[in-house]
Amino acid sequence: EIVITQSPATLSLSPGERATLSCRASQTIDTQLAWYQHKTGQPPRLLIYDASNRATGTPARFRGGGSGTDFTLTISSLEPEDVAVYYCQQRSIWPNTFGQGTKVEIK
Amino acid sequence: QVQLVQSGAEVKKPGASVRLSCKTFGYTFTKYGLSWVRQAPGQGLEWMGWISAYNGDTNYAQKFQGRVTITTDTSTSTLFLELRRLRSDDTAVYYCARDDSWYGHDQWGQGTLVIVSS
Repeated sequence: EIVITQSPATLSLSPGERATLSCRASQTIDTQLAWYQHKTGQPPRLLIYDASNRATGTPARFRGGGSGTDFTLTISSLEPEDVAVYYCQQRSIWPNTFGQGTKVEIK
Repeated sequence: QVQLVQSGAEVKKPGASVRLSCKTFGYTFTKYGLSWVRQAPGQGLEWMGWISAYNGDTNYAQKFQGRVTITTDTSTSTLFLELRRLRSDDTAVYYCARDDSWYGHDQWGQGTLVIVSS
């Protein structure tokens, strides 16, 4: 099973600041990685697929990058509505494991 | 538009079984896979398993092998999850999600709360 490790666990930033979330896979997964945004009381929402492609409706301030084992999700200018837990998921082999999540808070 | 509508909350005793449903609308059912993902209180997302709505092929997370069965009814475009021998740590919100092999889980149900308590 591929283990996905996300860091940091929590990110607390002011509006307008840049947020950088990391995701590391225990073995290479090429670009087969997705990012999801999960707000309290809602189902998760697909943000990024294939490591760097924005899903329909994902604002341009969200950018995914990386390949192999190391990936990042960058929010270029944090908005209050970005408060959520962000999960990455590897899509390379079964089981399609999730990381433990990064909670993004507004200071 | 695409919708996944899940069945209502369940309360079960330890050792019992639960069967959840997820009815889909707005797309050709057999063109996508479907997955179940759960979130226990205070925990992250946990992938449980996947089924091809085209041919019924399945993949399950190792930790659920032998306790879980994922099925579909193509006549009603509905996905099912059966989880047996329930334990208190199965208390969670269970989500169904459409699974596109390229995009990932691009559509989600609203979630079903399952409480396991004596």
